[in-house]
Amino acid sequence: KAGVTQTPRYLIKTRGQQVTLSCSPISGHRSVSWYQQTPGQGLQFLFEYFSETQRNKGNFPGRFSGRQFSNSRSEMNVSTLELGDSALYLCASSFAGGGHYEQYFGPGTRLTVT
Amino acid sequence: SQKIEQNSEALNIQEGKTATLTCNYTNYSPAYLQWYRQDPGRGPVFLLLIRENEKEKRKERLKVTFDTTLKQSLFHITASQPADSATYLCALLYGGSQGNLIFGKGTKLSVKP
Repeated sequence: KAGVTQTPRYLIKTRGQQVTLSCSPISGHRSVSWYQQTPGQGLQFLFEYFSETQRNKGNFPGRFSGRQFSNSRSEMNVSTLELGDSALYLCASSFAGGGHYEQYFGPGTRLTVT
Repeated sequence: SQKIEQNSEALNIQEGKTATLTCNYTNYSPAYLQWYRQDPGRGPVFLLLIRENEKEKRKERLKVTFDTTLKQSLFHITASQPADSATYLCALLYGGSQGNLIFGKGTKLSVKP
């Protein structure tokens, strides 16, 4: 089975711009979660999508949004980028979602905001 | 709100020894607790899941314990090898059965030959 894929792997953007990141989950997995990882804060939960519906949301501003398509692929969008948004953005898929199922992570997208 | 702490940012041990990593949480006991391994530049990889009614779980050289009285999980790697060097993250379920995972900041393990 192919693993979780994320595109692009690296991205450099300027403050004020917006960015869209993409995630393709493992075939058959209906839940996709997004995380932001920084050296200072560690791995922080952004949101989870299950069957095209946002099921959980972390404590991030509304500039961070996402969606899931009928094929379970997911995108996240960050508008009006700030320097503090520089981070590794990780996507994870699981069979049914919820924290009691192991999550399979992609390699991440390294976003740098200048 | 639920907090999760991994006491050591870094742990250095000699090859062949047992590495023991600690994960503590506050407030209510989660139904599940998970451990992940993360190598530099890569996403975390799932290692083990332990339920609140399980005291101990093993997988090859790995062992996880879960003490709901102490609100603590211990993660052991026996006969450690340099290839075990990585950051280990614990994570627990937050927000009910359909909730999400919250992660500790991780412990960076270095195994010296």
